[in-house]
Amino acid sequence: EVQLVQSGAEVKKPGESLKISCKGSGYSFISYWIGWVRQMPGKGLEWMGIIYPGDSDTRYSPSFQGQVTISADKSISTAYLQWSSLKASDTAMYYCARHDGIRSPDYWGQGTLVTVSS
Amino acid sequence: QSALTQPASVSGSPGQSITISCTGTSSDVGGYNYVSWYQQHPGKAPKLMIYDVSNRPSGVSNRFSGSKSGNTASLTISGLQAEDEADYYCSSYTTSSTLGVFGGGTKLTVL
Repeated sequence: EVQLVQSGAEVKKPGESLKISCKGSGYSFISYWIGWVRQMPGKGLEWMGIIYPGDSDTRYSPSFQGQVTISADKSISTAYLQWSSLKASDTAMYYCARHDGIRSPDYWGQGTLVTVSS
Repeated sequence: QSALTQPASVSGSPGQSITISCTGTSSDVGGYNYVSWYQQHPGKAPKLMIYDVSNRPSGVSNRFSGSKSGNTASLTISGLQAEDEADYYCSSYTTSSTLGVFGGGTKLTVL
């Protein structure tokens, strides 16, 4: 059974750093892209970026380029999304999702809620 | 890239059918048969309901169907049930990005 399990909710202060994770199981982790999707409160889905764990090829949406870093450790089938300096506007639910590079995602993680507040 | 265009809301009564549209361009919806639809209940992750325009993943009710004409894809839900009340998002492959592109989402209310 394909599963993507994300790390738990986080509460941070502005300016702090954060790294959240997404662990894949039940399939060949290096053979599919893993994407990150932001959903701000009451809003729609936005692509942030995507990584191919097989060779770490990473692509970012222009809106998020330079704002976040996406990485993966294929030895433990885990992808990461990190911020070096959080802002209040980063408060959102973040989902990881499996992507074959052409079709839209088929499996999604359960989401990680990030709250940034002073 | 610009999001695909969906109506903000649709509604229907139990047992009725509704259709949600998703309009793009020839660079995404119109050019490729890689349109997907997702259902999202409050506080839950999106769930894949339709892929490749009209295919249902295993376990998805056959009350859900998808189609495409030109640059517009459609999701039809027949025999509406209370549990269908949710947000629905379309998504498509696009030549502009490996990531793909989402629609803005449609809130379905079952009256």
